[in-house]
Amino acid sequence: AQSVTQPDIHITVSEGASLELRCNYSYGATPYLFWYVQSPGQGLQLLLKYFSGDTLVQGIKGFEAEFKRSQSSFNLRKPSVHWSDAAEYFCAVARYSSASKIIFGSGTRLSIRP
Amino acid sequence: EPEVTQTPSHQVTQMGQEVILRCVPISNHLYFYWYRQILGQKVEFLVSFYNNEISEKSEIFDDQFSVERPDGSNFTLKIRSTKLEDSAMYFCASMDRGGTDTQYFGPGTRLTVL
Repeated sequence: AQSVTQPDIHITVSEGASLELRCNYSYGATPYLFWYVQSPGQGLQLLLKYFSGDTLVQGIKGFEAEFKRSQSSFNLRKPSVHWSDAAEYFCAVARYSSASKIIFGSGTRLSIRP
Repeated sequence: EPEVTQTPSHQVTQMGQEVILRCVPISNHLYFYWYRQILGQKVEFLVSFYNNEISEKSEIFDDQFSVERPDGSNFTLKIRSTKLEDSAMYFCASMDRGGTDTQYFGPGTRLTVL
């Protein structure tokens, strides 16, 4: 079955430090890949997506992600985090098309150390 | 920027009662979805809806669940006889395939079944 793995449940980084959140998926072909962010009590906001083309994608709020087919990974990065980045981050995939159901990873909670 | 809206933000009900969760998708979107997130767990797909019919549903979406687009603007999720395990945050999403090809999520309805 298709799955999304986020190995880090909780990460704490200092404000201004760089960030990398890991995501691996299990599916033979290249799925449609997403990163969503959820602030406490809020809905899910799309940070970025990868469908095809350039494997390094830029998103909102200074985030980027790199698709690596050989590693089945789609890791999220930010060069310098801000206190407002504290939230839950979900990696997600859609199998057949952008209209397909989205399968979410279990999420990584990001805390920011002042 | 257009948003998906959901009402109510919080619904409390007694076990066995019927509930209807309401969503207003973004106006030119044609694909509609319901997802849920039990507290502390990952976001799970429930159902997708296109062209006035269900296009896909998960194992969770049994006979107790139904969806409807009653008036061309609202998209509803009905749970006929709620169970304790239906307590969760329910997210509606909509998409304009061929446009941004992105599922936009609403802020969610927190359903508490007592």
